[in-house]
Amino acid sequence: KNEVEQSPQNLTAQEGEFITINCSYSVGISALHWLQQHPGGGIVSLFMLSSGKKKHGRLIATINIQEKHSSLHITASHPRDSAVYICAVKVGGGADGLTFGKGTHLIIQP
Amino acid sequence: ETGVTQSPTHLIKTRGQQVTLRCSSQSGHNTVSWYQQALGQGPQFIFQYYREEENGRGNFPPRFSGLQFPNYSSELNVNALELDDSALYLCASSKSRDYGYTFGSGTRLTVV
Repeated sequence: KNEVEQSPQNLTAQEGEFITINCSYSVGISALHWLQQHPGGGIVSLFMLSSGKKKHGRLIATINIQEKHSSLHITASHPRDSAVYICAVKVGGGADGLTFGKGTHLIIQP
Repeated sequence: ETGVTQSPTHLIKTRGQQVTLRCSSQSGHNTVSWYQQALGQGPQFIFQYYREEENGRGNFPPRFSGLQFPNYSSELNVNALELDDSALYLCASSKSRDYGYTFGSGTRLTVV
């Protein structure tokens, strides 16, 4: 079982819809990252969370440490939001890198 | 800020050959980590360097090795290439182990 599980794996929605992507993890972490990857491969860091909630523009990320769960929300979705969204965790205290989920492939149709 | 730059962007190698991939860290970042992303999968951690020392390693064989230089740029070397090494190789830098990461655009390696 992967240490980081994302759902859904694929999501197609209409422009303007409210989008939620979920991430669950099974290990103790020091931080959780939400990342965006476009077809060319480059990854953009959206949020780094260790508690609570963060907001940037139309993106909101929340984390519940006790439940080992995080969500990424997109309000008023737009076709340019189409990308793969990846949840990654930094295992607490270690020198290891990030452990990634498999990603959620989001398509926003006009 | 200059961001993280990786070179080359694409590369084709023959099985058994050796390859070196390069990464220039974002200015002010002293930690760099490398990841392998196979098609359709999430990235897998290869190793991390902090101030020129390897201080973390994922489940990759010794033929995957690296270096970090005094200017904090980095190299990933892969010897005896195998077909399964075909992947996108991503480099990420950060100010330290506990800060956010800046990712490069990756090097697409194809082994034939």
